[in-house]
Amino acid sequence: DAKTTQPNSMESNEEEPVHLPCNHSTISGTDYIHWYRQLPSQGPEYVIHGLTSNVNNRMASLAIAEDRKSSTLILHRATLRDAAVYYCILRDQGYNNNDMRFGAGTRLTVKP
Amino acid sequence: DGGITQSPKYLFRKEGQNVTLSCEQNLNHDAMYWYRQDPGQGLRLIYYSQIVNDFQKGDIAEGYSVSREKKESFPLTVTSAQKNPTAFYLCASSQGKYTGELFFGEGSRLTVL
Repeated sequence: DAKTTQPNSMESNEEEPVHLPCNHSTISGTDYIHWYRQLPSQGPEYVIHGLTSNVNNRMASLAIAEDRKSSTLILHRATLRDAAVYYCILRDQGYNNNDMRFGAGTRLTVKP
Repeated sequence: DGGITQSPKYLFRKEGQNVTLSCEQNLNHDAMYWYRQDPGQGLRLIYYSQIVNDFQKGDIAEGYSVSREKKESFPLTVTSAQKNPTAFYLCASSQGKYTGELFFGEGSRLTVL
């Protein structure tokens, strides 16, 4: 079973910020938080990951709660091309626990 | 260019036939994965492999088989025992390290007639 829970769907207006939440209340100290997104009829693509501190890259920002039981993916200005399903998953840093399990994700709709 | 190649992109088969989906990567990644995706659903893990000649079952391994004879190749066979094989199949790879991101192929869409 997936170790994360996300809302099934969210809507946003174009050029507005979007905050996509993810709960991972059973996260262990060795789990990294990864985010991926999937455009229609394509394979998922990596967005961002983090462990404890907030992270920024050219695609998005990742805000991690102090207790690490939740995180938020932030798209600073949504575009129509950001409409996709966003997945939050946990990755154990132990080499022997390498199963990457995805939940249902959040379907983001961006309105013009 | 480095990446993951899945083939075929579309495949049709009759009930009772086995079919093998190809997945090749030239990223020198240790780990490889197979996922199944049904319409409107998330990804479900079928099998994964962390190293050559070793693989583990995921959540929905029944009716599927894999092999990992070479680092760059991880083919998936959908057997006749898989009761509902029509789906979108995705292959991925990653470094065997905890921060390694997953790289996905473009997928193979299997339809059973």
